[in-house]
Amino acid sequence: KAGVTQTPRYLIKTRGQQVTLSCSPISGHRSVSWYQQTPGQGLQFLFEYFSETQRNKGNFPGRFSGRQFSNSRSEMNVSTLELGDSALYLCASSFLGGPGGRETQYFGPGTRLLVL
Amino acid sequence: AQKITQTQPGMFVQEKEAVTLDCTYDTSDPSYGLFWYKQPSSGEMIFLIYQGSYDQQNATEGRYSLNFQKARKSANLVISASQLGDSAMYFCAMTPAGTASKLTFGTGTRLQVTL
Repeated sequence: KAGVTQTPRYLIKTRGQQVTLSCSPISGHRSVSWYQQTPGQGLQFLFEYFSETQRNKGNFPGRFSGRQFSNSRSEMNVSTLELGDSALYLCASSFLGGPGGRETQYFGPGTRLLVL
Repeated sequence: AQKITQTQPGMFVQEKEAVTLDCTYDTSDPSYGLFWYKQPSSGEMIFLIYQGSYDQQNATEGRYSLNFQKARKSANLVISASQLGDSAMYFCAMTPAGTASKLTFGTGTRLQVTL
């Protein structure tokens, strides 16, 4: 099976712009989660989508939003970019039936966003 | 709220030796999952091993084993027979019961395997 794919891999934007990142989960996975990784804050959970509905949400401002399509592909949007949004954005997909019968998240390679 | 603590920012180990990466956690949930991920310089998080809070035995996956001590709230990763390719960041993470979709991560340990 193909792994989780994310596009684009690298992105440079300027403050005030908006950006859309895309994630294609592993075939058969219906849950997609997004994480932000920065040197200062580490890895932080943004939100999770399951069957086109947001199921969980982290503590991020409303500038961060997402959606999921019927084929489970997900997009994440950040509006009015700030310098502090520069980060590695990781997408992960999961399915039931992982080790011990629990879900296990499998991550994509990430999108590196630089805000100038 | 859940919290993961990794107190070793960096570790060195010689090739073919075993190494233990420390992880302690804090949660008020009676049931939870514990995970270890490896992140090479390329950025992708690679799943290594999982331990459920009610699992009676320590988890093992090839050269990886998890030393789970529930009373001490620790979930240390043991890598046996280290290889040069094991050089990477290692993250301990946990989730509430019933889901792996809201991972709380520690700050990570950078492991360097030397000849």
